[in-house]
Amino acid sequence: NAGVTQTPKFQVLKTGQSMTLQCAQDMNHEYMSWYRQDPGMGLRLIHYSVGAGITDQGEVPNGYNVSRSTTEDFPLRLLSAAPSQTSVYFCASSPGDRPETQYFGPGTRLLVL
Amino acid sequence: GENVEQHPSTLSVQEGDSAVIKCTYSDSASNYFPWYKQELGKGPQLIIDIRSNVGEKKDQRIAVTLNKTAKHFSLHITETQPEDSAVYFCAASTHQAGTALIFGKGTTLSVSS
Repeated sequence: NAGVTQTPKFQVLKTGQSMTLQCAQDMNHEYMSWYRQDPGMGLRLIHYSVGAGITDQGEVPNGYNVSRSTTEDFPLRLLSAAPSQTSVYFCASSPGDRPETQYFGPGTRLLVL
Repeated sequence: GENVEQHPSTLSVQEGDSAVIKCTYSDSASNYFPWYKQELGKGPQLIIDIRSNVGEKKDQRIAVTLNKTAKHFSLHITETQPEDSAVYFCAASTHQAGTALIFGKGTTLSVSS
């Protein structure tokens, strides 16, 4: 079991560029989530999904899109990157009967210039 | 909605000492309280959790206690070692729409030898 994997590990973007952060899990978990982590702010939920084809917004969704076409994958899209999106992004997954028991990936560090 | 306060924000101890991190929560309906350890450059890793029908749980040098009446829970690490140095996050389950967990802002633990 690889658990939750994320790519890339690190990315530099220019303002206005777009990119997709990849997340995959091999635990057959129904729930998947995206968080951002900023100094002093803890972990804040961006978007989440309760199953394939179902997504919804979290606490800080603006500037991000998600889709969930398969159980395994949950990509996060930045359509037009802004410096305020410089952060470390974590993907997490959890089983449907225990959505609160979340397992995190290693993270993607994003720098927007 | 649920709010989780975590103290202290930084904690420095000598190797072999004990370390205690405390969290309080606001939603009396919360019933699951995990603790995560995040090492530098890595994702948060679930290290121990407790449910509201239990007052204490122990796993080797790590223990968590829960006081439902006072709405606080604590992480206790005994016989600390340098490899315990990391950021520790507490969290509480929530029934708020959009998220399953609310996180504290983290405690940076430094263990010096």
